[in-house]
Amino acid sequence: DAKTTQPPSMDCAEGRAANLPCNHSTISGNEYVYWYRQIHSQGPQYIIHGLKNNETNEMASLIITEDRKSSTLILPHATLRDTAVYYCIVRGYNNNDMRFGAGTRLTVKP
Amino acid sequence: EADIYQTPRYLVIGTGKKITLECSQTMGHDKMYWYQQDPGMELHLIHYSYGVNSTEKGDLSSESTVSRIRTEHFPLTLESARPSHTSQYLCASSVTDRSRTQYFGPGTRLLVL
Repeated sequence: DAKTTQPPSMDCAEGRAANLPCNHSTISGNEYVYWYRQIHSQGPQYIIHGLKNNETNEMASLIITEDRKSSTLILPHATLRDTAVYYCIVRGYNNNDMRFGAGTRLTVKP
Repeated sequence: EADIYQTPRYLVIGTGKKITLECSQTMGHDKMYWYQQDPGMELHLIHYSYGVNSTEKGDLSSESTVSRIRTEHFPLTLESARPSHTSQYLCASSVTDRSRTQYFGPGTRLLVL
């Protein structure tokens, strides 16, 4: 699976959009991009995933660049409860392992 | 929202005891997984299962064992707990479409004294 690179930490003002970047320059054609978050060491919570196209659900939007070498998770209106560690994961169809890495610690401030 | 459950949520136990961590899912997922996570550290896959009667070891070596007798149930057992087993154990299951998105339970925090 391709390696991902994320900034270790980010701050965001409450009510503003949080844009979390992820680089995955060695991604291959059959690998998906997944985003999870973990709050207070609870079980990771699935947010969104995509292959090539941009995706949106009730939690977030995922923007994948045309060359697929990077992506951005967008939380449109961050709240204090969105404070968590956010993980960007790239995984191929045949791989069982979700390699979470260090992630980005997002702090939403009042 | 995923329906995957783990019990107990917290467990403090003495060295040498046998313990079983329970994991159940009501989504009918064939694939299930166990991860281990130390505080502030990455998750590591220790066991997975493709379905009933299937169990495989993950990347991280573990002294625990698992069984899969029913689709919905994937318990993890430690025959003789040691302080080195102190960690958080996370169970997950995945959908069967091409994305194989994994959904996680709340975790069990184990402390072995």
